Order: sequence, then C-alpha cells, then structure tokens
Amino acid sequence: EAQVTQNPRYLITVTGKKLTVTCSQNMNHEYMSWYRQDPGLGLRQIYYSMNVEVTDKGDVPEGYKVSRKEKRNFPLILESPSPNQTSLYFCASSPQGQAGQPQHFGDGTRLSIL
Amino acid sequence: QKEVEQNSGPLSVPEGAIASLNCTYSDRGSQSFFWYRQYSGKSPELIMSIYSNGDKEDGRFTAQLNKASQYVSLLIRDSQPSDSATYLCAVTQYNFNKFYFGSGTKLNVKP
Repeated sequence: EAQVTQNPRYLITVTGKKLTVTCSQNMNHEYMSWYRQDPGLGLRQIYYSMNVEVTDKGDVPEGYKVSRKEKRNFPLILESPSPNQTSLYFCASSPQGQAGQPQHFGDGTRLSIL
Repeated sequence: QKEVEQNSGPLSVPEGAIASLNCTYSDRGSQSFFWYRQYSGKSPELIMSIYSNGDKEDGRFTAQLNKASQYVSLLIRDSQPSDSATYLCAVTQYNFNKFYFGSGTKLNVKP
C-alpha cells in the first residue's frame, strides 16, 4: 500500500529535550516536505526536499532541522524544542521532484512541548 | 498579506444543495492549484488539482480557476453530510518548490 508513515503519532515532551519525528514514504517520490498546522493558521511549510541531499527552507524553518540522506526518509529534528513548537505536524511527498504535483500526506504527529 | 486566503466559515448548506468554496491567492506567478479535504483529526486528502484556466470536473466536484482574477473555487454538487469537513486550498509558485495553504473553510452539510 502506497503511504507516508510518520512516527511517533503523539509525543509529549519537555522544553530543551531533543527529539526527532521520522517520515518514510514507499512511493519512490522525489519531493518531500514537512508542515505544521495550527488553529487559524492553516498548514505552513517548514522544510522541503527536492531530492536526496537537497533541502530548503519553507516559511517557518526556525527551530527545525531536516536531512535527506535516503530518498524514502525525511526526518524532522527539533534540537531544543520550545512550547511554541507545540503543534500538529504533517509529512508529505509527491513525485517527479516538483511541488507542482499533488502531495500525499502522512497521518500526522501531535507534538506537545511543556 | 497572506499568500492564500479563504473564508474560514463555517459554510452551512442543506443536503443536496451546491456548496461553493472560494480561494484567492496573491502571487500572479502561481502555477498549480489544489483542493484538499480534511476531516477533524485526520490528514488532508486531495480532491482536485487544476493547472489551467477554466473548469475541471470530477464526479460531484468542479474546480474553477481564473488566473486573471487570482481565484480558484470548488463547487460540490448534491452535497452530502459526509462532505462535512474543512476544505484547504493550496497553490505552488512559478518554481514549483513551495506550497502555500489557505487556513481552510469549514463546510457543514445539514441532513
């Protein structure tokens, strides 16, 4: 089954404790992206990757890191999480290295930082 | 000014009616346009994509794009209670690298 898998689905943690949210897709997609969704603000793009070893900032990259060492994986790293990063996070992927193609979304990770 | 604007709603329509959802965008260079549906607590799922001016129909859904006026709309015919969800408009710019989403319009279809 074609899918984008995020883990964990839920996480409660404390300020300053490094965490990683994993994202993996099995569709051989070139383009992958991370979003956060907050009430009234919609989905905002954090980082995206056009292909392996190619990553770039979205609209809200501060406080986040990503890497793309393999085509299928695109982890989101919070080196020193803060309460304002409490949000619902989605990973998404699309084919052909272009954001012009529609994206497939993972089920989301609800992150709470105390 | 936000890149993509949507009326947050809620938009309430009776079952069987036509629901009309609208979206405006600020960048004239925007190239690709998408409508996603998101049920509460779930991930967005693609309903329609549209790339050129005019209408595109898929079942009960019709997407309309007018690049000159910088708006894209979604019509849902014969609305069903199962259509009750938040509808997200998304656009990409000329270089196709970034996606911009509106904050979504909540649709309620009343039986």
